[in-house]
Amino acid sequence: GAGVSQSPRYKVAKRGQDVALRCDPISGHVSLFWYQQALGQGPEFLTYFQNEAQLDKSGLPSDRFFAERPEGSVSTLKIQRTQQEDSAVYLCASARPPGEKLFFGSGTQLSVL
Amino acid sequence: QQQVKQSPQSLIVQKGGISIINCAYENTAFDYFPWYQQFPGKGPALLIAIRPDVSEKKEGRFTISFNKSAKQFSLHIMDSQPGDSATYFCAARGTNAGKSTFGDGTTLTVKP
Repeated sequence: GAGVSQSPRYKVAKRGQDVALRCDPISGHVSLFWYQQALGQGPEFLTYFQNEAQLDKSGLPSDRFFAERPEGSVSTLKIQRTQQEDSAVYLCASARPPGEKLFFGSGTQLSVL
Repeated sequence: QQQVKQSPQSLIVQKGGISIINCAYENTAFDYFPWYQQFPGKGPALLIAIRPDVSEKKEGRFTISFNKSAKQFSLHIMDSQPGDSATYFCAARGTNAGKSTFGDGTTLTVKP
C-alpha cells in the first residue's frame, strides 16, 4: 500500500477485555516499530521488529502486552486484561534499512472504560 | 529519566515570522536527530533530520541547527505559515538501536 495502515482506527474496551491492534507496514519495509502516545505527549517506544524477529521489547509496560510479526510483514499488538491506564494512541511505524526514516500510521486510539 | 527534553511546550507566531523549537539530549550514543510534524488525528511525519557530524541542515523553510558540545539541537521554521500549525517532536536515535526517543512535543500556532 501507499502507507502504513492500522486497524481499527478506534477501539473502545471495557476494563479487563483483551484487544488486538493490527499494523500493515509499507511493502518491503524490514523494520517495524510500535509506539504508545498518551494525550499531549510524545510517542513512547514499545517494541521493534526486524523482519519476524523481535529485537527489542524493552518498552512493553507489562506482561499484559504482547506483539508479534510471524511472517515479517503484518504485526499485531495484543493487550490482555486492559486497564484504564492503557488508554492511548498506539502508533505503528515501518522503515526500510537502515531504519532511520520512520513512516508512521495514523494510529489506533484505544479507550478503556 | 527523560533523555530528550523539548521546549517550549507551546508557541504562537505571526504569519511570516520565525518559529524556533529547542531540544536537549543526554545520551552521547545518539547519532541521528530527526524532527517530526504531527497533525491532529495523524501519525508523526518526518520533516527533516541531521547527524552530529554537521552543524546545520536546511531543507526549504526548515533548518536544523546542531550543537554537539552542548548536546542541543533546534528547529527553525522560516516564513511560518498557518499551514505549519501542528505539533512538532524532536527525537534521537542511537547507533544500531532500533528505537527512537521522542521529546514531549511543541504545539505551534501560526496566526494569519
